[in-house]
Amino acid sequence: AQSVTQLDSQVPVFEEAPVELRCNYSSSVSVYLFWYVQYPNQGLQLLLKYLSGSTLVKGINGFEAEFNKSQTSFHLRKPSVHISDTAEYFCAVSESSSGATNKLIFGTGTLLAVQP
Amino acid sequence: KAGVTQTPRYLIKTRGQQVTLSCSPISGHRSVSWYQQTPGQGLQFLFEYFSETQRNKGNFPGRFSGRQFSNSRSEMNVSTLELGDSALYLCASSLEGPEQFFGPGTRLTVL
Repeated sequence: AQSVTQLDSQVPVFEEAPVELRCNYSSSVSVYLFWYVQYPNQGLQLLLKYLSGSTLVKGINGFEAEFNKSQTSFHLRKPSVHISDTAEYFCAVSESSSGATNKLIFGTGTLLAVQP
Repeated sequence: KAGVTQTPRYLIKTRGQQVTLSCSPISGHRSVSWYQQTPGQGLQFLFEYFSETQRNKGNFPGRFSGRQFSNSRSEMNVSTLELGDSALYLCASSLEGPEQFFGPGTRLTVL
């Protein structure tokens, strides 16, 4: 079974400052990793994904994340945030083995609050 | 290409009633998954359908059921509603790989 831990429930940051949202996972099998963003009263939008290959992945809106297998982490970073980045961010994993289904296991989310 | 659509967007029901939610995936996508989002439990997987067959099921009681039609559209049904079923129900579709695209959700309120 897999699990995802997002230790920070809320991260306040000033506009134009850098930010890192932390995600750690636990799994006995290989996984795919994802970051989703949710704006108020909306569904989830995929920010970026790690399926294989380069451990540094770039996503939309200037976000990037690095897969660290030894530390079982997939932290999300942005060098300079904007007010419009204020939202809830979810880290998720799914099993990558052959025949695996698309079941996503989510973390509890991190609210990124960008202040002017 | 149109995204995932869910209907209705908002729904109010009373305890004991049943409800059916609908999801239309992105054209060509054959996998449809459902998730429940609540403040207390977060995002939880309900079930996944692929080519009209349930491929995986989460840990929810039998009151929660779903189905998928030949055009890949999916419905989920909740019978004998309880107050705790109040949630945002999200549908996601996938072409073949693990990347899923989510709809806007249906917000269900049980009174």
